[in-house]
Amino acid sequence: DADVTQTPRNRITKTGKRIMLECSQTKGHDRMYWYRQDPGLGLRLIYYSFDVKDINKGEISDGYSVSRQAQAKFSLSLESAIPNQTALYFCATSDPGTSGANVLTFGAGSRLTVL
Amino acid sequence: EDQVTQSPEALRLQEGESSSLNCSYTVSGLRGLFWYRQDPGKGPEFLFTLYSAGEEKEKERLKATLTKKESFLHITAPKPEDSATYLCAVQAGGSARQLTFGSGTQLTVLP
Repeated sequence: DADVTQTPRNRITKTGKRIMLECSQTKGHDRMYWYRQDPGLGLRLIYYSFDVKDINKGEISDGYSVSRQAQAKFSLSLESAIPNQTALYFCATSDPGTSGANVLTFGAGSRLTVL
Repeated sequence: EDQVTQSPEALRLQEGESSSLNCSYTVSGLRGLFWYRQDPGKGPEFLFTLYSAGEEKEKERLKATLTKKESFLHITAPKPEDSATYLCAVQAGGSARQLTFGSGTQLTVLP
């Protein structure tokens, strides 16, 4: 089984619909992240969480919300999807360890298309 | 503001033709520089972390090096299976700081 599992892998929806992307991890790490990837723009951070009670906005949080249901589960919601939210979404987890460097382990991605 | 620029955007090599990918960065207080490999339709896969100028790391045909302003990913005698997008990222400051990613170099190795 994958260390980080994302569902759904692909989703097509219409403008205005509410969408939830789910993520679970078996690494046992406290830190979890949601990134968005667009062609030519690289990976951009949407939200991150350092533990169940800690949620932080990333650089592009507008239009998104998250929920950390447990150490292993972190979901991303689009309350009212719009076409420019069409992108590839990645969940990740990390453990900075003694170095303090956040080596990320990514899921396989969720491709979202908003019509 | 942390910045990461990768070049070239795309690179096509013949099998066995060695080359290098560049990652230029601007960051205040580097904690770590990361290289990832991303195959189409998959999530990025961790390759290396470099922590300080002068450091080098190797894995199979890949060798990553770091200076105070840039990192290189050297690919020696590449094979078609090395075809992927290679991403560079930096983390500044403490463990609570987040990564800044470059936009990647898409490498194609032709048989």
